[in-house]
Amino acid sequence: SSELTQDPAVSVALGQTVRITCQGDSLRNYYATWYQQKPGQAPILVIYDKNSRPSGIPDRFSGSSSGSTASLTITGTQAEDEADYYCNSRDSSGKHLYVFGSGTKVTVL
Amino acid sequence: QVQLVQSGAEVKKPGASVKVSCEASGYTFTGYDINWVRQATGQGLEWMGWMNPSSGNTGYAQKFQGRLTITRNTSISTAYMELNSVTSEDTAVYYCARGRLCGGDCQLVDKDYYTMDVWGHGTTVTV
Repeated sequence: SSELTQDPAVSVALGQTVRITCQGDSLRNYYATWYQQKPGQAPILVIYDKNSRPSGIPDRFSGSSSGSTASLTITGTQAEDEADYYCNSRDSSGKHLYVFGSGTKVTVL
Repeated sequence: QVQLVQSGAEVKKPGASVKVSCEASGYTFTGYDINWVRQATGQGLEWMGWMNPSSGNTGYAQKFQGRLTITRNTSISTAYMELNSVTSEDTAVYYCARGRLCGGDCQLVDKDYYTMDVWGHGTTVTV
């Protein structure tokens, strides 16, 4: 089982807001990073640090963190945002070892 | 442009070893980690391990300790992932990804974070 827990699936109406959460003890001490993956493609980094986006990632993607929970929010969700989203952070050892969350499938209605 | 190019698909028999390469270009190979991540069909991402190409230091997920070896050849900017004693459970797409801790300086942030910002296209390994 993953040390980072995500809801398996969430749906959102086009243009609405969706929040995806990631829970794990390591998140009290380390930020999560978030990845988007579409079918047949490699993952893409979308959020890192407290709330930073790589160049090319739309500003409708944002991140936040509180206690042992990290969140990825998509504001004004577009059809092209339909994808799997994974969080990643250190594992429970605290060493330079990492783990992915189980992933959340976002469906845009 | 910055890219990671992986070797082609592999088909192996149970008990064999598989070795996948990842050639970096467009950046200083020794300036970033290389991570290996796999994904079985219909399943999530699974982080396997990392290497610092400059020092040769490695870190492996506990699940793969003793069976996974990550190496590099800095003269050709290439990293390798070798997995021994494979079984059908190892059938997956294997990705390499460029990694960096805190953008290079954890003194500048209040909490550490690790990014994997450039990914290879994936290599299918079938056992």
